[in-house]
Amino acid sequence: DAGITQSPRHKVTETGTPVTLRCHQTENHRYMYWYRQDPGHGLRLIHYSYGVKDTDKGEVSDGYSVSRSKTEDFLLTLESATSSQTSVYFCAISEPGTANNSPLHFGNGTRLTVT
Amino acid sequence: LAKTTQPISMDSYEGQEVNITCSHNNIATNDYITWYQQFPSQGPRFIIQGYKTKVTNEVASLFIPADRKSSTLSLPRVSLSDTAVYYCLVGDRDTGRRALTFGSGTRLQVQP
Repeated sequence: DAGITQSPRHKVTETGTPVTLRCHQTENHRYMYWYRQDPGHGLRLIHYSYGVKDTDKGEVSDGYSVSRSKTEDFLLTLESATSSQTSVYFCAISEPGTANNSPLHFGNGTRLTVT
Repeated sequence: LAKTTQPISMDSYEGQEVNITCSHNNIATNDYITWYQQFPSQGPRFIIQGYKTKVTNEVASLFIPADRKSSTLSLPRVSLSDTAVYYCLVGDRDTGRRALTFGSGTRLQVQP
């Protein structure tokens, strides 16, 4: 398995509190992604990063922010958690090849419950 | 954002060949098609990737027609352990490879 660690693995928090999820990689891959997965929706992209301090929004970015101050870490922050953000969050990494053929490697996910 | 379309679910029996087709009308010229497998409580895992025609590895084959607007994942002689959700993934036409959006996947149930 690719060297990807997500922390925490499980988190229960109250509505309105800030939450930060961490993704740490040891592969020195340039691209990092945050997805959320909910029943019936598959995997939806929240934010992604294509280098240190270079990030962009995915399809469900409202209510989330990210930061990438160094290659190995990609942080996802919920500034004020809501019950609709209860989900399983996956981090993924990839290293672009010469022809866009680099597959994604995923972490084992963080299960977040907002009460 | 470009979307993929797959059947929501499929059923099969052990030993049968399973073919899962994905539609991706907005695939970019330089993009590859990649398939992933996901078990409960785990992140998706890479299965196979291709650009055109046919690709085969130790677990699956991938068939891609000339227009590349669809692809078919073929699993030979499935077993119970192949019960999982399968996703196809292509790059987004407008933002390029960087923004990768999954479809809803196909839930494969293999029965004895």
